[in-house]
This record gives sequence, structure tokens and C-alpha cells, in this order.
Amino acid sequence: GENVEQHPSTLSVQEGDSAVIKCTYSDSASNYFPWYKQELGKRPQLIIDIRSNVGEKKDQRIAVTLNKTAKHFSLHITETQPEDSAVYFCAAVKYSTLTFGKGTMLLVSP
Amino acid sequence: DVKVTQSSRYLVKRTGEKVFLECVQDMDHENMFWYRQDPGLGLRLIYFSYDVKMKEKGDIPEGYSVSREKKERFSLILESASTNQTSMYLCASVSTENTEAFFGQGTRLTVV
Repeated sequence: GENVEQHPSTLSVQEGDSAVIKCTYSDSASNYFPWYKQELGKRPQLIIDIRSNVGEKKDQRIAVTLNKTAKHFSLHITETQPEDSAVYFCAAVKYSTLTFGKGTMLLVSP
Repeated sequence: DVKVTQSSRYLVKRTGEKVFLECVQDMDHENMFWYRQDPGLGLRLIYFSYDVKMKEKGDIPEGYSVSREKKERFSLILESASTNQTSMYLCASVSTENTEAFFGQGTRLTVV
């Protein structure tokens, strides 16, 4: 089955810095790559996604890049704010089934 | 507004009990999933279903079973609860067209 590796497991930055989270996947048939943000005590929520026919997508301060050849994709958050503090999960999707990475705890210090 | 609702937010059960976790979605989605979430291990897929009365094993199905008698409801069953099944359980619903996953609020299960 699909295997998704996510790094780093924890990431601490100062407010205003950029943060980058990286994921790799194993199954070349995966064709959709969402990112979820989970705040403490809450359910995961989709923040951005990218499909396999696109190399980059941006939504305000967040962006995602995809390299299909290397089977890796990354989340970029610019101008981080304390409210960005959360656990972030990447996922690879094949036939509507999501396989998640282990998550990255992002801490943004004021 | 999209809704995925899990029957309980917190549950405490005894070892050996049969436990039912219920999940209901109101979006007419074909696909439903059960994950468990543990610190450092992320979300691991237990079982999923692409249609009514259909079920498929995920990565960690041992000790669990599921039931999908109606399209909107997907139940996770722990036949004989054990302490290593203490965890947060998350249900997700996905449209085949859109593939965005919507999660329930989670059930924190403690087996004592």
C-alpha cells in the first residue's frame, strides 16, 4: 500500500519566519495531495491541496509544491503567525483513500 | 454546512466489552473511513467503505470490524475492547468527485 513520510515531526519558528514541511509518497498512482491543519482538541481541516497535474498552488500565505518524478510535495507557510500553531498532516490519495503522514507540530512563537 | 457527526466525544469502557462507535454524514458521500490517531503515529486507517454493505481493511484492522447498512452511517465495532485500543478515533467522509475529506469531531476512547 501507500506509504507517506513527513518531516520534520516538530518545527519551532519565530513569528514572521517561514515554515516548510516536506512529505514523500511511494505509490505513483496517488493523484491528489491535501494538507490538513489540526488545532488542539479539534478535527483536521483542509487548508490547501494539489492535484498531480499541477506543480504549485498558492493561497495567500500558504503554498504547496509537487514533484511527481521525485514523489515529494511540500507545504510552505510565509509570514507565520501564532495562530498558525497546530499539527499539520500531509496525505496522498488514491481512489478516494487518504494515507496520512505522521504529522508536524508547528509552534510559532510571538 | 457539511456535517460529519460521531456519536460520542468521550467514552470509557472496560476491557472485554463490545464497543460501538457511530459516524453519520449528511453529504451523501459514497466513501467513509475510520482512523485512529495516536501521538507520534499520525492517523492510521482502520477500515473504509466505498458503498453500502461494502467494507475494506485498512492498515490496522486487527481487533476491529465495521458495518455500513445505510449510506450515511458507518459504524466501528471493537468486538472485545483491550487497553491498547485506547485512542482518539476519527471518522471521515469523502466524495468520489471532490476527494476532500471531512472529519467528525473525534471520539476519545479509554479502555480500562
